[in-house]
Amino acid sequence: ETAVFQTPNYHVTQVGNEVSFNCKQTLGHDTMYWYKQDSKKLLKIMFSYNNKQLIVNETVPRRFSPQSSDKAHLNLRIKSVEPEDSAVYLCASRQARDSSYEQYFGPGTRLTVL
Amino acid sequence: SQLAEENSWALSVHEGESVTVNCSYKTSITALQWYRQKSGKGPAQLILIRSNEREKRNGRLRATLDTSSQSSSLSITATRCEDTAVYFCATDDSGYNKLTFGKGTVLLVSP
Repeated sequence: ETAVFQTPNYHVTQVGNEVSFNCKQTLGHDTMYWYKQDSKKLLKIMFSYNNKQLIVNETVPRRFSPQSSDKAHLNLRIKSVEPEDSAVYLCASRQARDSSYEQYFGPGTRLTVL
Repeated sequence: SQLAEENSWALSVHEGESVTVNCSYKTSITALQWYRQKSGKGPAQLILIRSNEREKRNGRLRATLDTSSQSSSLSITATRCEDTAVYFCATDDSGYNKLTFGKGTVLLVSP
């Protein structure tokens, strides 16, 4: 099956803890993204990687750091989570020169910070 | 940066009815996409309409694009309960390979 996979599906943690989310795509794409979706469904891009290189880094708190081991994997680490980090984190991928511009999304990881 | 936004927060229709979601954007675009996000899933592309196109169809879906007014619409005919979802328009910042999503419109289709 070719798709975008994310783990875990859910994560509940306390303020100040560190969390890591994993994303893997088996579509052979060269570009991957992390988005944050808040409770009002607003989607905001956080990071974008192309062939393991960071190409987009929106204004996000420094406690967020992406990690890419190869072009099929893009993980997200959050050091010392805050209550406002509660959201759904969506991973996506695309082929940079694909004229359809389509991004393929994973199902998301829902983070709850108590 | 580009800004895309839908013009309604929520819409509610009965099965079989037609519905239109509208979107406006701020700057020139290469293409505009419509995505649908069902509960518990990530968004999935429905239609891509390029700046030189005025209309695009995909089954029961029809997208229009008016570059002069910088607006787009997505119409769904003969709605079904499974069309219940959040609908987003998105514009492509082609220089950076990133999409800017609108705020989303929640569509509820009831029996």
